[in-house]
Amino acid sequence: NAGVTQTPKFQVLKTGQSMTLQCAQDMNHEYMSWYRQDPGMGLRLIHYSVGAGITDQGEVPNGYNVSRSTTEDFPLRLLSAAPSQTSVYFCASRSDWYEQYFGPGTRLTVT
Amino acid sequence: AQSVTQLDSQVPVFEEAPVELRCNYSSSVSVYLFWYVQYPNQGLQLLLKYLSGSTLVKGINGFEAEFNKSQTSFHLRKPSVHISDTAEYFCAVRAGGGADGLTFGKGTHLIIQP
Repeated sequence: NAGVTQTPKFQVLKTGQSMTLQCAQDMNHEYMSWYRQDPGMGLRLIHYSVGAGITDQGEVPNGYNVSRSTTEDFPLRLLSAAPSQTSVYFCASRSDWYEQYFGPGTRLTVT
Repeated sequence: AQSVTQLDSQVPVFEEAPVELRCNYSSSVSVYLFWYVQYPNQGLQLLLKYLSGSTLVKGINGFEAEFNKSQTSFHLRKPSVHISDTAEYFCAVRAGGGADGLTFGKGTHLIIQP
């Protein structure tokens, strides 16, 4: 099992550009989520999904879109990047016992 | 609303000494509590979790935590730390408001001094 994989590892964007952060898991988990990590802030929930075709907003959803067409994949889209979106992004999937498995993260810089 | 307070942003400790990392929470739903560790430039790894049952929870790498409902605390302890325990530690509680996910504290940086 690869667990949770994320691509790319690093990305630099200019303000206004769009991009998609990819996330995939091979554990057949129904539940997946996206977090952002900023210094001194811990991790904050952006969006989550409880199954294919079902997504909802977390604590800090503004500026991000998600969709879930398959159980395995949960991409995060930035439609028009802003410097405030400079962060490290983590994708996670969870088992029925509420254990969250995190990916290695994507470090995004918006200039 | 759910919230997690980690009372110390940084804890320095000598190698082989005991350590306690403090966590207090507030929750309006059934309490599920977690401790995660993050080594430099890596993702998060689950140390231990409390879902129900025994209030003393044992995790990996010799860590344990005690759920105290009356004090709304879930402090993490280790009797003897090693250099390799140097990392960021996050306490988390199940998110409320119908959201599936976790609400995290701001983290405690554990610094092991030789």
